[in-house]
Amino acid sequence: GAGVSQSPSNKVTEKGKDVELRCDPISGHTALYWYRQSLGQGLEFLIYFQGNSAPDKSGLPSDRFSAERTGGSVSTLTIQRTQQEDSAVYLCASSLTSGRFDEQFFGPGTRLTVL
Amino acid sequence: DQQVKQNSPSLSVQEGRISILNCDYTNSMFDYFLWYKKYPAEGPTFLISISSIKDKNEDGRFTVFLNKSAKHLSLHIVPSQPGDSAVYFCAASGTSYGKLTFGQGTILTVHP
Repeated sequence: GAGVSQSPSNKVTEKGKDVELRCDPISGHTALYWYRQSLGQGLEFLIYFQGNSAPDKSGLPSDRFSAERTGGSVSTLTIQRTQQEDSAVYLCASSLTSGRFDEQFFGPGTRLTVL
Repeated sequence: DQQVKQNSPSLSVQEGRISILNCDYTNSMFDYFLWYKKYPAEGPTFLISISSIKDKNEDGRFTVFLNKSAKHLSLHIVPSQPGDSAVYFCAASGTSYGKLTFGQGTILTVHP
């Protein structure tokens, strides 16, 4: 079956512009996670969705970052007024339930470059 | 504050030999640990996990060891194969849901 997909695969933007990153989880997966990987760093947790609710958004770096999930499916991560330090690979993962032992399936990521 | 650390950025091993990847953590609340494997331009894929009630978990060529007193875990791959060449991430969980804290990753290269 189809895995987690993310679009765009690459995004180059100018400092100060807004960007939207999209994640399509595996059908039927109720839990969705966003992570990012900056150069030379591990994956950093950003936000967790259970259905359309975000019980944990503690990893969002600033109020320029927001995310939503609609219909318990597609999620969009929005970064306003992008800065150069926002450059990273943004990864989305989904799991069947939010249980901690449920395997998370990752998408290929969106590479964001802010010039 | 890096709560999960992989201090070796890279590891090079001959095919057929053992690969040992190491990971240290600082947060005592972590009680479930995972290893992920990542190929270029792909997302990480789950490899193996271990709960803190165990000190070893084995799955085929892959074994994870957990030393809770030292807050250290390791992944052993025996025998190593060229297809194992990838970035390996250690991850830890301390919540009731799937929030993971990752290390920086170790690039494993297995030479034929």
